[in-house]
Amino acid sequence: GQQVMQIPQYQHVQEGEDFTTYCNSSTTLSNIQWYKQRPGGHPVFLIQLVKSGEVKKQKRLTFQFGEAKKNSSLHITATQTTDVGTYFCAGYETTDSWGKLQFGAGTQVVVTP
Amino acid sequence: EAQVTQNPRYLITVTGKKLTVTCSQNMNHEYMSWYRQDPGLGLRQIYYSMNVEVTDKGDVPEGYKVSRKEKRNFPLILESPSPNQTSLYFCASSLSGGFRELFFGEGSRLTVL
Repeated sequence: GQQVMQIPQYQHVQEGEDFTTYCNSSTTLSNIQWYKQRPGGHPVFLIQLVKSGEVKKQKRLTFQFGEAKKNSSLHITATQTTDVGTYFCAGYETTDSWGKLQFGAGTQVVVTP
Repeated sequence: EAQVTQNPRYLITVTGKKLTVTCSQNMNHEYMSWYRQDPGLGLRQIYYSMNVEVTDKGDVPEGYKVSRKEKRNFPLILESPSPNQTSLYFCASSLSGGFRELFFGEGSRLTVL
């Protein structure tokens, strides 16, 4: 079953505001990947974090991997309408096969102009 | 252009009528995987293949079959579809699984009546 949890499930944001979505696992992850799926589209890879405490930035997006490698966050500053979509985190558990990438249920982001 | 191609993109069928969803990638990727996406459940892995002739179950393999006779193709077979297999299906590939990013196909929306 799914062991990677994402919160919140839905996020309504006013354009220009910041928001954060969280990804939590009950077990230690080898890595965490983030994907974005636009409405009607397919998931597209955004970034991967591997090291404990790692922080990476992509323009207005900041990704963080927790010290214990059990959680991750995606923070978006000054939200724009182009940020609309569903954001998924995914990771491999350290005890699991390298083939079994576990996805969270996603955070659906709606941006109000 | 590097891509993962799925067919058909849309299909309406009836219970019990065998169907195959094809998936082909042109990136010489070793790893391929099938996911189904349902509202509130995110992406759940059905089967994956680390390389040719090697396949393994994901989290929700019941009612599905796969084969990997060639590197580029990874068809998903529903021998006797049932209404609970109505879903959006995604095929994905990567260089080698593990720490590699996944490239997704456009998706196949299947309705079983």
